[in-house]
Amino acid sequence: EAGVTQSPTHLIKTRGQQATLRCSPISGHTSVYWYQQALGLGLQFLLWYDEGEERNRGNFPPRFSGRQFPNYSSELNVNALELEDSALYLCASSSGNVAGELFFGEGSRLTVL
Amino acid sequence: QQPVQSPQAVILREGEDAVINCSSSKALYSVHWYRQKHGEAPVFLMILLKGGEQKGHDKISASFNEKKQQSSLYLTASQLSYSGTYFCGTESSGAGSYQLTFGKGTKLSVIP
Repeated sequence: EAGVTQSPTHLIKTRGQQATLRCSPISGHTSVYWYQQALGLGLQFLLWYDEGEERNRGNFPPRFSGRQFPNYSSELNVNALELEDSALYLCASSSGNVAGELFFGEGSRLTVL
Repeated sequence: QQPVQSPQAVILREGEDAVINCSSSKALYSVHWYRQKHGEAPVFLMILLKGGEQKGHDKISASFNEKKQQSSLYLTASQLSYSGTYFCGTESSGAGSYQLTFGKGTKLSVIP
């Protein structure tokens, strides 16, 4: 069974540009979570989608947004990129709307120059 | 609110034991533990639900003290494969949370 897949693996952008990251959850999983992992800060919760709806978002500015598609895949958009947005963005999926085991993808490394 | 993990980093020799602590200022419904090896995705270790249960598999176990809002991860007779960064994720009590807030992690290095 395929795990959580994320694309692209690496992405380099300049300040002010937009970045789009994509995530395909494990088949059958309806919940998708996005986390930002910046150096020394651990895993910072960004967004949670379930059944196509945004259920909750973390303490990030509105330029971080996303959506979940009918096939439960998801994309994360970051507008007006800033240098401090450089981080590993991890997507995780789970099988329901209870915080059970999360299955993480290997992440997308975003570098903002 | 992000749970606090301690220590931030620890170096062990093979066979030694370690304890990693996780504490929260909020009432907790559950605590989750993950391990992330360098360059890899975090991998689930275990979930502890409120009720003060202790869980474990192999030589890694954990406890959850609901009243103190704390959890501890115990690694006994450490192996080289235990190296990595350990994260606790907490789920706060209350309907609709259903999400994990992770600590900053504890970097564990096991050396021969």
